Amino acid sequence: EVQLLESGGKVVQPGGSLRLSCSVSGFTFEDYAMHWVRQAPGKGLEWVSLISWNGDIKYYADSVKGRFTISRDDSKNSLYLQMNNLRGDDTALYYCAKDIGSSWNTLDDWGQGTHVTVSS
Amino acid sequence: QSALTQPASVSGSPGQSITISCIGTSNDVGGYNYVSWYKQHPHKAPKLMIYDVTKRPSGVSNRFSGSKSGNTASLTISDLQPEDEAEYHCSSYTSGTPLVIFGGGTKLTVL
Repeated sequence: EVQLLESGGKVVQPGGSLRLSCSVSGFTFEDYAMHWVRQAPGKGLEWVSLISWNGDIKYYADSVKGRFTISRDDSKNSLYLQMNNLRGDDTALYYCAKDIGSSWNTLDDWGQGTHVTVSS
Repeated sequence: QSALTQPASVSGSPGQSITISCIGTSNDVGGYNYVSWYKQHPHKAPKLMIYDVTKRPSGVSNRFSGSKSGNTASLTISDLQPEDEAEYHCSSYTSGTPLVIFGGGTKLTVL
């Protein structure tokens, strides 16, 4: 059974930093691209970032480019999102999700999310 | 790039069929056969229901079907069941960034 478990979300002040983690099991992590997606309170889904299966290729939404960094550690079956210079509009539930294969656009398994609140 | 356009809400009675639209542009929905649909219950993670416009993942009921015409994709749910009540989100691959663009979500109410 595929499982993804996010952690690291908390309340942080504007301008602060946070590192989200996603621990996975139930599939061969190193074979799949991975995504981060967020959902602000009462809003729709917003794609944040993708990392390719081997970590060589990374994409970011314009809203986070230059502030967020996606990474992975295949030895730990873990995905990360380093978030710097956080702003109020970064407040959201952050999901990690597995790509269906090499599509880079279809997310077939999702974690339950971790809450990030940016507030003074 | 703006989000894909979905109706805020749709409703139907058990046994009926409903269709949710997802309007994009030639840079996303109209340009690629990479539209997906996700079902999300309140406070739960999204679940993939349709991908590549028409494909159903293993385990998803054949009451769910997808289609596309021009810049508009559609999700049709036939023989509505009470458990279909949820929020539905469309997404598409896009040229440039973001890599994936979502719609605003549609709340389906089963009357």
